[in-house]
This record gives sequence, C-alpha cells and structure tokens, in this order.
Amino acid sequence: RKEVEQDPGPFNVPEGATVAFNCTYSNSASQSFFWYRQDCRKEPKLLMSVYSSGNEDGRFTAQLNRASQYISLLIRDSKLSDSATYLCAVNPVTGGGNKLTFGTGTQLKVEL
Amino acid sequence: DAGVTQSPTHLIKTRGQHVTLRCSPISGHKSVSWYQQVLGQGPQFIFQYYEKEERGRGNFPDRFSARQFPNYSSELNVNALLLGDSALYLCASSRELAYEQFFGPGTRLTVL
Repeated sequence: RKEVEQDPGPFNVPEGATVAFNCTYSNSASQSFFWYRQDCRKEPKLLMSVYSSGNEDGRFTAQLNRASQYISLLIRDSKLSDSATYLCAVNPVTGGGNKLTFGTGTQLKVEL
Repeated sequence: DAGVTQSPTHLIKTRGQHVTLRCSPISGHKSVSWYQQVLGQGPQFIFQYYEKEERGRGNFPDRFSARQFPNYSSELNVNALLLGDSALYLCASSRELAYEQFFGPGTRLTVL
C-alpha cells in the first residue's frame, strides 16, 4: 500500500461547481498534513495546512479524519483558474523533522 | 520578501557526469529540503537540512549528497548521472524544522 494515495482524476467540472478530493494515508502516527496546488511545469504552492478541527480559506475547506486516515479538500464555486493538480502531503515524522510524503496528485479541469 | 530561489533553471547532462544544484531559502528560514519530481508523480523526499546538519534522508542512493552552508543556502550533488535521474529537482524552505515548507521554482535536469 502506498503511504499517501490520491485519485489521479482528471476531475472535469463546470465553472461554479463544488468539487471534493480525498487523500488517504497509511501511517497513523502522521503529524501534519497539507494541500499543495501545482500548475503545469511549475513548483507546488502551499494551498492550506490541514488541522484537526478543519480549516477554511475562502472557497477552500480542508478536513482531517484521523480515525479513517484521510484528508479532504473541498472547493466551492470553482473558477477556471482553479484548474491545476492538487497534491496532498503528509509528514509521517514524529519528534521533529518534516519529511513530506506526497500523493501523485489529483488533476482538476474547470470548464466553461 | 523574495521566495526560494534555485539555480540553474534548466540543465542538460550526459550519463556518468556530475551535477550541482543550488538553493537559497526564504530570508529567515533555517531549514532546506530537497525533492525529486518525475513526470506524473508527486515530489519525492531526498534530504532535509537544518542548521547545517542533515535531519532526514529519503530512499536515494549514495550518489546523491547535499550540504547546507552557514547562510542557510544549500547544494544538492548527484554523481554518476543515470537516465533515470532526469526530473524536476525542487528545493523547499521552512522557518524551523517542522514548519510549513515553501518550494522554489525547481531545476529541470535532463540526462541524455
């Protein structure tokens, strides 16, 4: 089993739609969780850290479910500019250090 | 503030050669991590450095080495290049060891 798994997509959605991605992780001791956005041939850009209580930033909501070992990202009112690959990242290290383990990414295409 | 910078942006080498990639972290950030990203995959962790000490190493052969300098900049060295080393090499910096990581634009290495 992969340490971090994502559905590669692509998810093709119309503008204005709500879309959700899930990401599962295998190490129950994982400490911190992140969503990154990556545009084609660019570097990953930090979108959100994911906290136990969940967090929201505008149209984006991230949640953590430790019992089922997954994190989710919800995008409301999708824009054309949201088209990108969304990477989840998990830090499985305890006691310091921050070795991020990434999923393969989920591709989102928002269409007119 | 300037983001993470990396040089060079692109590099073409032949098998068996050696390469050095450079990274300057965001001002005030003390930790630098290196990742390799091949097409269609998420970034894979290579090394993490903090205060000039190696604090984590991924599953890469000894041909890969790195160091961090007193000004917190870092170099990644790869010896005896193989075709499979062709990838985007990403540097990420974080303020402290376990904080959020921010990526530079990457160095795209092609091995012929």
